[in-house]
Amino acid sequence: DAEITQSPRHKITETGRQVTLACHQTWNHNNMFWYRQDLGHGLRLIHYSYGVHDTNKGEVSDGYSVSRSNTEDLPLTLESAASSQTSVYFCASSDGHRYGYTFGSGTRLTVV
Amino acid sequence: AQKVTQAQTEISVVEKEDVTLDCVYETRDTTYYLFWYKQPPSGELVFLIRRNSFDEQNEISGRYSWNFQKSTSSFNFTITASQVVDSAVYFCALSGTTSGTYKYIFGTGTRLKVLA
Repeated sequence: DAEITQSPRHKITETGRQVTLACHQTWNHNNMFWYRQDLGHGLRLIHYSYGVHDTNKGEVSDGYSVSRSNTEDLPLTLESAASSQTSVYFCASSDGHRYGYTFGSGTRLTVV
Repeated sequence: AQKVTQAQTEISVVEKEDVTLDCVYETRDTTYYLFWYKQPPSGELVFLIRRNSFDEQNEISGRYSWNFQKSTSSFNFTITASQVVDSAVYFCALSGTTSGTYKYIFGTGTRLKVLA
């Protein structure tokens, strides 16, 4: 069965370190997205991609980067982790609006 | 600008009560899509429904129903005869052509607690 997986599920890192969160989907979806979820803010878009080599900034992109070298993967990199980036991160993919997003299980990141 | 407002931060009901979760949206697009997602305590996000702006028919799926009213820019979600398993955070989302064809703008969510 097709799926979308995120790794790791939990991560603790120190301030200033570079961190990469993985997102891998086997749906063959062109569209992939990264959101962060924080209490009182819902889900906010960090970066997104509509295809290989395409990346775009979302509303909270500062301090984050992504790259899309193939259809399956959209890794999210925190260049220099900050305590404000402690959050739950969700990756999602879609083939358009027909079925909505398919979400990964999330990564809980703690920056100490 | 596109915006989704879920004014109800938290709702508590007793099992078997009906409950309505409100969602109000703002968009200048004539073509747009609205969604509801459920996030149970386990944390995953589960797709519930999609509605496009040209389809104002109400939708019913078991104990769930959705009322889409363009005149009031609302897409409300009703659970009939609520059950403890309905306890979750529910998110409403909007996607329109202005925000980018496939990006979703989410509301802040409504936490529903169903008490036995």
